[in-house]
Amino acid sequence: DIVMTQSPDSLAVSLGERATINCKSSQSVLYISNNKNYLAWYQQKPGQPPKLLVYWASTRESGVPDRFSGSGSGTDFTLTISSLQAEDVAIYYCQQYYGTPTFGQGTKLEIK
Amino acid sequence: QVQVVESGGGVVQPGGSLRLSCAASGFTFSIYGMHWVRQAPGKGLEWVAFIRYDGNNKYYADSVKGRFTISRDDSKNTLYLQMNSLRVEDTAVYYCAKDPTLGGDGYNWFDYWGQGTLVTVSS
Repeated sequence: DIVMTQSPDSLAVSLGERATINCKSSQSVLYISNNKNYLAWYQQKPGQPPKLLVYWASTRESGVPDRFSGSGSGTDFTLTISSLQAEDVAIYYCQQYYGTPTFGQGTKLEIK
Repeated sequence: QVQVVESGGGVVQPGGSLRLSCAASGFTFSIYGMHWVRQAPGKGLEWVAFIRYDGNNKYYADSVKGRFTISRDDSKNTLYLQMNSLRVEDTAVYYCAKDPTLGGDGYNWFDYWGQGTLVTVSS
């Protein structure tokens, strides 16, 4: 199975500042034939199910605020929140679907 | 709107069985694959199983292979997870999640999730 490793495990950012979460896969999740990265990002708030934010590494799901953006290719990916809002406090997970789906361990985002 | 609602969780002894259900609405259930994903208390997410839209392909995580069976009843718009030989480490919230692709093969993200149902395996 492809192992997904996120960094940092936790992060504290001031309101209005940029938050950056990293995700690294143990092998490339870029499918050469279609040039797509098989990588998604989710947000999970306490007591709620995960919510899809991004798929294909950089395609924002409908209705997701544009302060959320995904980037990266191959084995290294980033989720960026351009201007942190109070409602963004959550745990964020990356997930690869190049092989049997696997998730990163999660990054807990808090307000500084 | 798309909705998936899980039920059937509860407390069961090690070695016991339980069947989870997931009632789907707001989309054409019969043309989408469906997944089960679980989350142990305070832990991360683990994909458990997938069933293709036609029920002809099913995939399982190694941790549940041979013990869990995924199935679907399109006449009832319902997904199931039969869990046998349960272990303490199967304790988790079990989420039903929709595959985003028409007729997809399961190698996908998950676009809609239910609220989950808690399974506790304890003596």
